[in-house]
Amino acid sequence: DAGVTQSPTHLIKTRGQQVTLRCSPKSGHDTVSWYQQALGQGPQFIFQYYEEEERQRGNFPDRFSGHQFPNYSSELNVNALLLGDSALYLCASSLSGRAVYEQYFGPGTRLTVT
Amino acid sequence: SQQGEEDPQALSIQEGENATMNCSYKTSINNLQWYRQNSGRGLVHLILIRSNEREKHSGRLRVTLDTSKKSSSLLITASRAADTASYFCATADNYGQNFVFGPGTRLSVLP
Repeated sequence: DAGVTQSPTHLIKTRGQQVTLRCSPKSGHDTVSWYQQALGQGPQFIFQYYEEEERQRGNFPDRFSGHQFPNYSSELNVNALLLGDSALYLCASSLSGRAVYEQYFGPGTRLTVT
Repeated sequence: SQQGEEDPQALSIQEGENATMNCSYKTSINNLQWYRQNSGRGLVHLILIRSNEREKHSGRLRVTLDTSKKSSSLLITASRAADTASYFCATADNYGQNFVFGPGTRLSVLP
């Protein structure tokens, strides 16, 4: 049973560029959430996708956008990159329709903006 | 802003000792979950405790929840070097949504 996978593992971009990160959820899961984790801090919720729509969003600017595909995989796009966007980006999947659910995290994508 | 606040920020103990980490939060919750993270990689789910539960065990882990004080503790008994990691608490709101993580406790277990 494959867990949550993310690609790429590492990425280096220049300020002003755009980046796309990818996530495949755990088998059987239909909901994908994205988190940003700066060095030495806890993960910060970016947004959650379910049924190919953004269901919830954290306090992140519109430069952060996403997409969910019919197979439940998801992409996170960040435009006009800033140095402060350097972080570990974590994807988590879960199963909707449950009152209490656990999130399963992928290994993350380390983004460095220079 | 983060709701959960772990305490202490860093903890160093000898192998075989017990490690206790605390988490405080601000609003009503549906459940509270503890995660472990090794070397800045993905988070591993350790244990979930619901708002109507007071204590839960899983192997060497013991979690308590005091909703009146809005706090939780994670106890790792008989620690091992492999327990060295960062530990985070995360709260979910009354709808089981909106996961909010604390800044974490960095645990070092010395052999």
